[in-house]
Amino acid sequence: DQQVKQNSPSLSVQEGRISILNCDYTNSMFDYFLWYKKYPAEGPTFLISISSIKDKNEDGRFTVFLNKSAKHLSLHIVPSQPGDSAVYFCAAPEYGNKLVFGAGTILRVKS
Amino acid sequence: DAGVIQSPRHEVTEMGQEVTLRCKPISGHNSLFWYRQTMMRGLELLIYFNNNVPIDDSGMPEDRFSAKMPNASFSTLKIQPSEPRDSAVYFCASRRDLYTGELFFGEGSRLTVL
Repeated sequence: DQQVKQNSPSLSVQEGRISILNCDYTNSMFDYFLWYKKYPAEGPTFLISISSIKDKNEDGRFTVFLNKSAKHLSLHIVPSQPGDSAVYFCAAPEYGNKLVFGAGTILRVKS
Repeated sequence: DAGVIQSPRHEVTEMGQEVTLRCKPISGHNSLFWYRQTMMRGLELLIYFNNNVPIDDSGMPEDRFSAKMPNASFSTLKIQPSEPRDSAVYFCASRRDLYTGELFFGEGSRLTVL
């Protein structure tokens, strides 16, 4: 049973608009969350993270929001750019070192 | 600096054949992870090593899968015999140590078993 779930397989957004990618988790022991970005034919790369003691972390155009009561986090990209088109994975460390990933969401930003 | 290096990038083989995927972690990284990416399940952790010692192989799907890390700069993931359902992209990743540091991924090995 997956502990990290990304229920939207894909998302299409117009350039300049906001992209919102969602992630739900089941393990209340998770205390740290990460987002990874993956381009075709490349490995995933780290994008942004958030500790469970925070409810928001911002890095340029990327902001991650955490709602612990709902066991939900989201990644906001504003404004979206064509170069943001990629697969986005939500992840959390289990036992401190074992990263568990969601299935990923394909983001397409149309110009 | 070289990143995580995986080979082959693409492998097409027939059911029943042995497949060996290779990985060279980033120099100085003590932890190495093997992941498998499929459409349905995303990135699944198969096995990870720390200081060349396997720590957790609970993600290895079957006895047909085995992994070794004979030294700090090389690891293999072997599937014998391979089956069509093993078709996926296999990623190797390394990290400075087991508990801290960013996880760096290789470019992956795309396996197709006919």
